[in-house]
Amino acid sequence: GENVEQHPSTLSVQEGDSAVIKCTYSDSASNYFPWYKQELGKGPQLIIDIRSNVGEKKDQRIAVTLNKTAKHFSLHITETQPEDSAVYFCAASIDGTDKLIFGTGTRLQVFP
Amino acid sequence: EAQVTQNPRYLITVTGKKLTVTCSQNMNHEYMSWYRQDPGLGLRQIYYSMNVEVTDKGDVPEGYKVSRKEKRNFPLILESPSPNQTSLYFCASSPSRGSYGYTFGSGTRLTVV
Repeated sequence: GENVEQHPSTLSVQEGDSAVIKCTYSDSASNYFPWYKQELGKGPQLIIDIRSNVGEKKDQRIAVTLNKTAKHFSLHITETQPEDSAVYFCAASIDGTDKLIFGTGTRLQVFP
Repeated sequence: EAQVTQNPRYLITVTGKKLTVTCSQNMNHEYMSWYRQDPGLGLRQIYYSMNVEVTDKGDVPEGYKVSRKEKRNFPLILESPSPNQTSLYFCASSPSRGSYGYTFGSGTRLTVV
């Protein structure tokens, strides 16, 4: 079955710097890759996703890149702000199946 | 407001005492799922339901039951809770199978002593 590895487990950055979180997946049939943000005391919230027919997607300060050959995808946050502090989860799935496999999460701390 | 509502938010119980965590969504979503979140393990799927009266096991179903008698509700039942079921639980829903715009509830923190 699919396995998703996520690194790093914790990440501390200065406000204004960029943050990058990386995930690798094992099943080459996976073709949908969402990212979720979990703030303290709340459930995960979808922030961006990408499908395997594109290599990059941007939404304001966040972007996701996908390398299908290497089977890895990354979340990039530019100009980080204290409100970006949260736990971020990547996930992978084969479109049309019932399985969304999550990574183990990255705790991002942005210091003012 | 479109949302997934879980209750209770916090629960402390004793080993073997049956409990139910409720989940309700107001978006007319077909697909609902339960996850547990443990440190270092991420989110693991317990059970899911593709529609009313259709449920199936996820990756960690042992010790749990679910039912889907109405489209909006998807309760999680622990018939005989054990300490290893101490965890943070999330209910999620999406419009349909294969549609991954998951909406998560706020979570239920369960402690079994």
